[in-house]
Amino acid sequence: AQKITQTQPGMFVQEKEAVTLDCTYDTSDPSYGLFWYKQPSSGEMIFLIYQGSYDQQNATEGRYSLNFQKARKSANLVISASQLGDSAMYFCAMRERGTGNQFYFGTGTSLTVIP
Amino acid sequence: GAVVSQHPSWVICKSGTSVKIECRSLDFQATTMFWYRQFPKQSLMLMATSNEGSKATYEQGVEKDKFLINHASLTLSTLTVTSAHPEDSSFYICSAEEGSGISNEQFFGPGTRLTVL
Repeated sequence: AQKITQTQPGMFVQEKEAVTLDCTYDTSDPSYGLFWYKQPSSGEMIFLIYQGSYDQQNATEGRYSLNFQKARKSANLVISASQLGDSAMYFCAMRERGTGNQFYFGTGTSLTVIP
Repeated sequence: GAVVSQHPSWVICKSGTSVKIECRSLDFQATTMFWYRQFPKQSLMLMATSNEGSKATYEQGVEKDKFLINHASLTLSTLTVTSAHPEDSSFYICSAEEGSGISNEQFFGPGTRLTVL
């Protein structure tokens, strides 16, 4: 089974609007971490936000917030006030304590911000 | 955040030649480095994990004799694509982390685009 599932291959959002990028995960390990990365067309992977499985509150980093619903095993990324520079690929990733350092990446969502 | 560099950023080579890609952590000691491969519009595929001074651990389906990884120091890992063929053309990305733990962020290099003619 896929560890990380991103069901939206492509998304469009109007500039200044908010957008939610979906991510569901599959694990039986009670201790895990969830990450979101942004990959612009230049190729570099940019860390956005992290959520630990034991964190009580949803993580927030500036315009990024993570809607963590543990029972549903979802970790959706919310980008508020979209900017043209937000157009990129977005990857959800997970790491489990039991499998050590390995990151499991989703297939990504391509976000296009429309002026 | 921490900086990881990769060199070269792009390379074009003839079929049958070998290509070496360097990955350096510039401002921290990387206990573990990772090598990924990414095809266009696809996700990152982990190829191998390397720890300084020990042999790399390759993912299933990745030929270790084809993709040689050397983690010579805490700041340098190299990936050598031996006898490259056109199907090896891809975007190769390294990442590095200091210490361990599930909350540890992996710092990614800018990637190397390999084209084999």
